[in-house]
Formats: sequence, structure tokens, C-alpha cells
Amino acid sequence: GQQVMQIPQYQHVQEGEDFTTYCNSSTTLSNIQWYKQRPGGHPVFLIQLVKSGEVKKQKRLTFQFGEAKKNSSLHITATQTTDVGTYFCAGEAAGNKLTFGGGTRVLVKP
Amino acid sequence: KAGVTQTPRYLIKTRGQQVTLSCSPISGHRSVSWYQQTPGQGLQFLFEYFSETQRNKGNFPGRFSGRQFSNSRSEMNVSTLELGDSALYLCASNGGRTGGNEQFFGPGTRLTVL
Repeated sequence: GQQVMQIPQYQHVQEGEDFTTYCNSSTTLSNIQWYKQRPGGHPVFLIQLVKSGEVKKQKRLTFQFGEAKKNSSLHITATQTTDVGTYFCAGEAAGNKLTFGGGTRVLVKP
Repeated sequence: KAGVTQTPRYLIKTRGQQVTLSCSPISGHRSVSWYQQTPGQGLQFLFEYFSETQRNKGNFPGRFSGRQFSNSRSEMNVSTLELGDSALYLCASNGGRTGGNEQFFGPGTRLTVL
């Protein structure tokens, strides 16, 4: 079945630095979504990418969908303590359920 | 609009018992999905209901079941509880194909099996 892998599993970042988390699917996706879950909270939708090679920005967050629509990345610049949490990607293949990656847990060192 | 609500928020059960969790989606949303979240396994898809019909199902044993009512509220049931069923159970609603497919999650029900 469809599998979605995320790396790294954990990311320790110094405040002010940049980092990138990656998401890879075993199958071609019709779209990919990103969610953020704060500690003790529930996942909250951030963005959806649909087109091959699509790039979207939300302030310091940049999301990219690969040309083959099998991978995606999330890049955060100038990390802040408010960025703490777990970031999940979720891929949907045509006709299939949404499959979540294992998440990247981000810890920020002040 | 009110968000997705789940009841109860916390539950403690013993092995062998059964449990029923409830989820009320955002008004107007007809799709409800259930996920199990554990520290080691991440978010695992259980099932999705749309207009009272199960549309998709994950790889969980038959002890896990669900249903959806005509008002779109959904329940999931776990019978013969095992220690490994301890987890945060999240439900999420979305508006279906015409309303976009982003998932709106509820706060979850934390189930502890002793």
C-alpha cells in the first residue's frame, strides 16, 4: 500500500537558524498536505500543494512539491520558539485515503 | 463555526472492556475520518465515513469499528481492549470534494488501557 516517509524524525534547531524537513511517497500523489501539531495539541492544517513543482510560501515557511509529485519539503527560515511542534505531511493518491508521514518533531534551542 | 468536538476527552479502561468514542464534525461537513496516534507509530488511519457510508478503511483489526449518523456525527468502537490500544484517537472532518479536502481535527480522546 501507499507509504509516506518523513525525515528527519527529530530536528534540533538553534533559534534563528534554518532547517528543512522532507517527505517521500512510495506512489505518485494527487496532492500533498502539511500539518503542524503543537505539543499537547492536535494537527492543524497548514497548506495543500497540487501541481507538479509547486512552491508556496507562508511567511517564514516555504513548501515545495516535487516534479514527479512523489516528494515534498518544508523549509523554515530564521526558526523561532513558536515553530516548536511536530510537522506532518499527508499524501493523497487518486481514490486513496490520506496517508500521513511519521512527522518531524522540531525542538528549538533558544 | 464551531470546530470538531470529541467526547470524552479522557478515558481509562481495563483490558477486555469495550469503548465508544464520539465525534461531532464541523457543521456542514459530511466526511469524518478517524486516526490513532501513538508516539511510536505516528498518525494511523482507521476509517473514513461519508454520508453514513464507510468510504475507506485502514489496516486495523475488526475490533475497531465505526459508524456515522444522518447528522454526520460519528462514533468509533473498540471491543476487547488491549494494552496496545492506548493512544490518542483523533477524528477529523472535511467538506468532501466540493469543500476542499483539508482535514479539520478535533482535540482527540486520550484512551488509556490498564
